[in-house]
Amino acid sequence: GAVVSQHPSWVICKSGTSVKIECRSLDFQATTMFWYRQFPKQSLMLMATSNEGSKATYEQGVEKDKFLINHASLTLSTLTVTSAHPEDSSFYICSAEGTSGRNNEQFFGPGTRLTVL
Amino acid sequence: QKEVEQDPGPLSVPEGAIVSLNCTYSNSAFQYFMWYRQYSRKGPELLMYTYSSGNKEDGRFTAQVDKSSKYISLFIRDSQPSDSATYLCAMTNSGGYQKVTFGTGTKLQVIP
Repeated sequence: GAVVSQHPSWVICKSGTSVKIECRSLDFQATTMFWYRQFPKQSLMLMATSNEGSKATYEQGVEKDKFLINHASLTLSTLTVTSAHPEDSSFYICSAEGTSGRNNEQFFGPGTRLTVL
Repeated sequence: QKEVEQDPGPLSVPEGAIVSLNCTYSNSAFQYFMWYRQYSRKGPELLMYTYSSGNKEDGRFTAQVDKSSKYISLFIRDSQPSDSATYLCAMTNSGGYQKVTFGTGTKLQVIP
């Protein structure tokens, strides 16, 4: 149980294009999903918190107009990187808050590696 | 000063060794402490989850929390090559939804 998937797992795009990444909770409903970015040899940095049916909450320094988050259902959240540039190349990981009853337990997706040329 | 400090390693040990991984933190409000394992190019997976101070054991893994010292540890007994990964500590405040703060991760290599 508690499986989170991400699609695509790997994407290469040209500078200036937009990329959409999907995060799905496969066997549970997640009212809250989180989007992280991880640069090489660095820890996970929370970008935003996504709540189903409401606007995402962005961390300080994260441009909400550049990183569009939509949490349309209890099992799907999407992150769209708009007008991507090479500095946006990173490993993007989503997580979903579990329903096991343990506070703050998050289940992570496998990540999406974005390379912007 | 970072809220959570973790030695990035890398840490290399021979197969069968006992591994000790540690984190220190500065926020005394942290109540929930987790350890995640992350293989290269994969998302983190939860290994251990503890609340407040004390020890928790699960198979070859033991998590320790010392809130008085703001210090947490993960011990791996009889380490295996398959344990080679990056280990991230994570912690959060008590109750309900709270932002989780991660350490930078320690890269572990277990040599056969």
